[in-house]
Amino acid sequence: DTAVSQTPKYLVTQMGNDKSIKCEQNLGHDTMYWYKQDSKKFLKIMFSYNNKELIINETVPNRFSPKSPDKAHLNLHINSLELGDSAVYFCASSHSSASLPAYEQYFGPGTRLTVT
Amino acid sequence: RKEVEQDPGPFNVPEGATVAFNCTYSNSASQSFFWYRQDCRKEPKLLMSVYSSGNEDGRFTAQLNRASQYISLLIRDSKLSDSATYLCVVKRGGSYIPTFGRGTSLIVHP
Repeated sequence: DTAVSQTPKYLVTQMGNDKSIKCEQNLGHDTMYWYKQDSKKFLKIMFSYNNKELIINETVPNRFSPKSPDKAHLNLHINSLELGDSAVYFCASSHSSASLPAYEQYFGPGTRLTVT
Repeated sequence: RKEVEQDPGPFNVPEGATVAFNCTYSNSASQSFFWYRQDCRKEPKLLMSVYSSGNEDGRFTAQLNRASQYISLLIRDSKLSDSATYLCVVKRGGSYIPTFGRGTSLIVHP
């Protein structure tokens, strides 16, 4: 029944490590997103994919690399983790906003990343 | 000026009160407006879209003022379960990029 799922839910790792977060949606949406929510609760978009093509790549260090193997999946790989990467990472999906007058984003439960 | 600004609060209100939040946006090309709700340690969820003519969903009323570039959310007869952070979201026409405000925290107490 889960619409947007992410794994893992919690991730504790040391500086310098490489880690991946996976996201899957079963809503038939063609657009997926990665957001970062920091300790001040500010939700900032990082990447967006539409039909497996990257359409948004905000100012994000190139240690972060998204990969979309198909429309239903968007993974996030992070190299050489830093303390400042500690945050909650949310995956979201929606229909292509260009095709609808208004659209709703459905968010996954989030991955709480702690870098020590 | 930030693209989307909200008073972070917290707004502390008793059960049954009416409370209103505003959100201002800076880009006049903005075309789509939404209110999301985020409970503590949970994901954001759409509360309601905001239409030009204003819209109501039960105890919640959303309004848009294009001239002054703000949207508002009114909650009537507040319940304890309304306690959450309310996020204003604005999207420019033809853009895939939604911009979230930092959110307004609401605490409803008995």
